[in-house]
Amino acid sequence: SQELEQSPQSLIVQEGKNLTINCTSSKTLYGLYWYKQKYGEGLIFLMMLQKGGEEKSHEKITAKLDEKKQQSSLHITASQPSHAGIYLCGAPLSSGSARQLTFGSGTQLTVLP
Amino acid sequence: KAGVTQTPRYLIKTRGQQVTLSCSPISGHRSVSWYQQTPGQGLQFLFEYFSETQRNKGNFPGRFSGRQFSNSRSEMNVSTLELGDSALYLCASSLDIGNSPLHFGNGTRLTVT
Repeated sequence: SQELEQSPQSLIVQEGKNLTINCTSSKTLYGLYWYKQKYGEGLIFLMMLQKGGEEKSHEKITAKLDEKKQQSSLHITASQPSHAGIYLCGAPLSSGSARQLTFGSGTQLTVLP
Repeated sequence: KAGVTQTPRYLIKTRGQQVTLSCSPISGHRSVSWYQQTPGQGLQFLFEYFSETQRNKGNFPGRFSGRQFSNSRSEMNVSTLELGDSALYLCASSLDIGNSPLHFGNGTRLTVT
């Protein structure tokens, strides 16, 4: 089955620093989703990437999809304590099951004030 | 627009009992998916419902079942509870258009003792 590997598993940064989280798939990607989760709560949708080379930004968060490398990266510029949480990437198992997602194990982000 | 609503928020049950969890999707969303989240296995797909029909099912035993009503609200049921069923159960709804993203509720925390 498809696996999504996220790195790093955890990240501690000083407020104001930039950071990058990576998500690598062992199989072909049919789109990729990024979510953020506060501990014990639901997932908040951040961004969806559908095509290779696609890049999207929302506020200080930018995500890119490299189809050839089967990899996506999430970059946060000038991090703030409000960015703290668990970041998860998710991808469909096949092109026909857009709502049956496999998720990575998550990256725990701590931002120190 | 109200988000995905899950009830109850917390539940404590005893081994052998059964439990029913409820999910109200975002208005206009007809696809409802369920996921189980545990520290060991991460987020795993349970099943997806659309127009009262189960469209996809994950790799879970038959003790896990679900249904969807004509108003798109969904319930999932776990019978003969085991300690390993303790988890955060997340419901997500989406438009049934292409790769429309999943929007998650805050989950039901089930503890089996």
